[in-house]
Amino acid sequence: DAGVTQSPTHLIKTRGQHVTLRCSPISGHKSVSWYQQVLGQGPQFIFQYYEKEERGRGNFPDRFSARQFPNYSSELNVNALLLGDSALYLCASSLGPGGNGYTFGSGTRLTVV
Amino acid sequence: KNQVEQSPQSLIILEGKNCTLQCNYTVSPFSNLRWYKQDTGRGPVSLTIMTFSENTKSNGRYTATLDADTKQSSLHITASQLSDSASYICVVSDGNAGNMLTFGGGTRLMVKP
Repeated sequence: DAGVTQSPTHLIKTRGQHVTLRCSPISGHKSVSWYQQVLGQGPQFIFQYYEKEERGRGNFPDRFSARQFPNYSSELNVNALLLGDSALYLCASSLGPGGNGYTFGSGTRLTVV
Repeated sequence: KNQVEQSPQSLIILEGKNCTLQCNYTVSPFSNLRWYKQDTGRGPVSLTIMTFSENTKSNGRYTATLDADTKQSSLHITASQLSDSASYICVVSDGNAGNMLTFGGGTRLMVKP
């Protein structure tokens, strides 16, 4: 069974551009959470989706948005990129919105120049 | 505000030595506490997970302890190996419906030959 897959693994964007990051959860998992991890710090919660509905939102500006599709995959969108958005973006999937089974993907490394 | 504090921030030890990493939390209500290992540029990988009633759990050379009264946890690594070099992150889940995760900043461990 495939684990949590994220794409792309790396990308470089210019300030002001838009980016879309993708995540496919483990088969059977219906919840996806997104985290931003700046170099040298712990991950910060951005969004959680369960059954295609937003279940939680962290302290991030409206430039950040996400959605979950009927197949439970998810996209994270960031508009008007800033240099400070450079980070590792992690996706975690779980059976439900809570519980013990969080599994992380390998992340997408976003560099904004 | 839910917080997770880890110490030390970084640690260098010689191969074969033991070490202990600390985690203090103020998450309430408490649901469970997890330790993750994160290699540079990769997603976190779960080492242990403990609920309120568990005070110790082992995974090979990794042993985690939990004192729910003092809200402290430790991760002990025995007979360290070069491959143990990574960041170790303490994550606490709250007991509310969303079971949101609060991440510590991590301890960066370097094992030298």
